Amino acid sequence: RKEVEQDPGPFNVPEGATVAFNCTYSNSASQSFFWYRQDCRKEPKLLMSVYSSGNEDGRFTAQLNRASQYISLLIRDSKLSDSATYLCNAGGTSYGKLTFGQGTILTVHP
Amino acid sequence: GAGVSQSPSNKVTEKGKDVELRCDPISGHTALYWYRQSLGQGLEFLIYFQGNSAPDKSGLPSDRFSAERTGGSVSTLTIQRTQQEDSAVYLCASSLVPEGDTQYFGPGTRLTVL
Repeated sequence: RKEVEQDPGPFNVPEGATVAFNCTYSNSASQSFFWYRQDCRKEPKLLMSVYSSGNEDGRFTAQLNRASQYISLLIRDSKLSDSATYLCNAGGTSYGKLTFGQGTILTVHP
Repeated sequence: GAGVSQSPSNKVTEKGKDVELRCDPISGHTALYWYRQSLGQGLEFLIYFQGNSAPDKSGLPSDRFSAERTGGSVSTLTIQRTQQEDSAVYLCASSLVPEGDTQYFGPGTRLTVL
């Protein structure tokens, strides 16, 4: 089983839609969780951290479910500019390494 | 401040040649990661440094791949006897502390093996 798994998609949604991605992690000792965004032919960049109590940044909401070992990202009122690959990142255990999932491709169309 | 830098940005080499890729992390960042990404694929973890030591080399695809980090700063990834399947973008990332910190990525080195 991979340490971090994501549904690769692709997700194709119209502008204005709400879309959600999940990401599961296998190591129950994982302490830190993040969502990154990667645009085509660019390097990944941090979108948001994921806190235990859940957190929101504008149209984006991230949640952590420790019991089921997954994190989620919800995007409301999708924009064309949200089209990208979304990568989850989890880990930070004994020697600190964090692991990326394979990424979920989102395409928002007019 | 300066971000993570990588050089060269592009490298074209012939099959069988050795290549060295360089990563300059953000100053003071103790953790450094190397990843490989083929076109349309996800990030493939290669190696992780904490300071100058590499607690996890599990992602190196073969013994043709090696990496070192000196002075807790600059890292080089060396690929010996390159093969066409080594063609990919090689990304480096650094974080301030290993445990649970944001990774900042460099722009990558695009390697093409002819």
